[in-house]
Amino acid sequence: DIVMTQSPDSLAVSLGERATINCKSSQSILYRSTNKSYFSWYQQKPGQPPRLLISWASTRESGVPDRFSGSGSGTDFTLTISSLQAEDVAVYYCQQYYSPPFTFGQGTRLEIK
Amino acid sequence: QVQLQESGPGLVKPSETLSLTCTVSGGSTGSSAFYWGWIRQPPGKGLEWIGSIYYTGGTYYNPSLKSRVTISADTSKNQFSLVLSSVTAADTAVYYCATIKPVDTGMLRTPGYFQHWGLGTPVTVSS
Repeated sequence: DIVMTQSPDSLAVSLGERATINCKSSQSILYRSTNKSYFSWYQQKPGQPPRLLISWASTRESGVPDRFSGSGSGTDFTLTISSLQAEDVAVYYCQQYYSPPFTFGQGTRLEIK
Repeated sequence: QVQLQESGPGLVKPSETLSLTCTVSGGSTGSSAFYWGWIRQPPGKGLEWIGSIYYTGGTYYNPSLKSRVTISADTSKNQFSLVLSSVTAADTAVYYCATIKPVDTGMLRTPGYFQHWGLGTPVTVSS
């Protein structure tokens, strides 16, 4: 199985500041024939289902604010929130869809400092 | 916009079988546009993919659950279902159904990212 490891486990950032969450896969999830990393980010607020933010490592889902951006390739990925808003308090998960079983990171809890 | 709603018993006894149904609106389980899948989340913990089904009837299951899981679809009712046998307390979780965007991997179209989610239904395994 591909293990997804997020860092940090929790993060506190001041409103308006940048938040950065990292995710590392135990093997490359870059598919050579498509030159794409099979990787996504989700946001889960308390009592709600997860929400897809980003697919293909850097493609923002429709309706997701542009302060959210994804980067990385191969085994190392980053989710950046450029200017933290109060509504961004949530747990963030990464996920690989390169090969089954399709696995998630353990989650990163983002709070306001 | 595809919407999904999970339904089923909230309490299941140990060793018995858990059965859940996901009703789809705004999309068709007979369409090639999505895989249809189940994910669960134990209390206070992270997300675990259970399995997925395509309009062809083809399925992918998490090997950790494969011996106990069956996912099926009923296109006439626009529903898909999860059956998990021989449950234990470790199966206590919120169960989500979701649409999954198919992605190309060589010659195959396999499950990709989870695009639309139901609200989830809590299931407790207890006597």
